[in-house]
Amino acid sequence: EVQLVESGGGLVQPGGSLRLSCAASGFTFTNSWMSWVRQAPGRGLEWVANIKEDGSKKYYVDSVKGRFTISRDSAKNSLYLQMNSVRAEDTAVYYCARYNGLPTNHNWFDPWGQGTLVTVSS
Amino acid sequence: DIQMTQSPSSLSASVGDRVTITCRASQSIDSYLNWYQQKPGKAPKLLIYAASYLQSGVPSRFSGSGSGTDFTLTISSLQPEDSATYYCQQSYITPLTFGGGTKVEIK
Repeated sequence: EVQLVESGGGLVQPGGSLRLSCAASGFTFTNSWMSWVRQAPGRGLEWVANIKEDGSKKYYVDSVKGRFTISRDSAKNSLYLQMNSVRAEDTAVYYCARYNGLPTNHNWFDPWGQGTLVTVSS
Repeated sequence: DIQMTQSPSSLSASVGDRVTITCRASQSIDSYLNWYQQKPGKAPKLLIYAASYLQSGVPSRFSGSGSGTDFTLTISSLQPEDSATYYCQQSYITPLTFGGGTKVEIK
């Protein structure tokens, strides 16, 4: 069964740091782009970051550039999101997802993890 | 950035109704458009990829169409379990962007 399980969420003060993890199983992790997508309470979905299969390319939404770092460990089949200098507006459920698709470069998020809640508050 | 605009933002329909949700991109995205379903407290689920291809395991009452800037998600015969919020998403270029969502309720 293809599965993604996030962990590491919690309460963090503004300006603080947090590291999210995502454990992948049931598929070939080393062949898959991976992503983080977040959803603020009561709001829509926002893509946060992507990382290539080998970690050589990373892409971020502007609002997190310079503060968040996406990374992966193929030996552990795990994806990470290091969140630094967090702000109240980073409060959200963070989902990890496989970003996969066709040779035509059509790609999509599937599957998704269950999400982990990050709350930024003093 | 490519803006994705969904309409309506919410709708209420009866079981068995045909439901159509539209998604418009601020520039042409060819067929780089996906649809997701999200139920309260749950992660989104892929329904349609590349504008019109049904994800494995998704009921055939769901269909997608369109290309360029205008896309539609159609539920041919609404079922009680289809009560959810639906999102479109463009995969044409980063930043990857989602529509604001359409909440579908059952009358």
